[in-house]
Amino acid sequence: GENVEQHPSTLSVQEGDSAVIKCTYSDSASNYFPWYKQELGKGPQLIIDIRSNVGEKKDQRIAVTLNKTAKHFSLHITETQPEDSAVYFCAASTNFNKFYFGSGTKLNVKP
Amino acid sequence: NAGVTQTPKFRVLKTGQSMTLLCAQDMNHEYMYWYRQDPGMGLRLIHYSVGEGTTAKGEVPDGYNVSRLKKQNFLLGLESAAPSQTSVYFCASIRDRASYEQYFGPGTRLTVT
Repeated sequence: GENVEQHPSTLSVQEGDSAVIKCTYSDSASNYFPWYKQELGKGPQLIIDIRSNVGEKKDQRIAVTLNKTAKHFSLHITETQPEDSAVYFCAASTNFNKFYFGSGTKLNVKP
Repeated sequence: NAGVTQTPKFRVLKTGQSMTLLCAQDMNHEYMYWYRQDPGMGLRLIHYSVGEGTTAKGEVPDGYNVSRLKKQNFLLGLESAAPSQTSVYFCASIRDRASYEQYFGPGTRLTVT
């Protein structure tokens, strides 16, 4: 099956700085790559996603890039704010059947 | 519109007991999923369903059974609970293949002693 690896496991940045989280996947059939934010005691929430026919997608301060050849994708958060502090998960899926998640990155934005 | 709800929120079981977790969605979604989340391991897919009356195994199906008799409900059963099944369980749903957003429920924290 698919194997998704996520780095780093923890990330601490100053408010206003940028944060980058990286994931790699193993199955070349994967064609959908979502990113989720999970706050303490809650379920994950989709923040941005990208399909395999797109190289980059941006939504305000959040962007995702995908390199199909290298099988890696990244989440970029610019101008970080304290409310961005949470655990972030990447995932990979083939046609929305099975989803495989990374192990998570705990982001701490220091005011 | 309540979204995805899970019942119960917390449960403590003794080894060997059985229980059923209920996931309900009021968004008319086709796809539904059950995950478990353990510290440092992200979410792992237990079972999923691509429509009413259909179920399929995920990454870690052993020790669990599921049923989707009604489109809006997805039940996860533990026939004989084991301490290794102590985890937080999340249910999720997707409307269809044209709309990819996966909506998650608030989770059920299960402890097996």
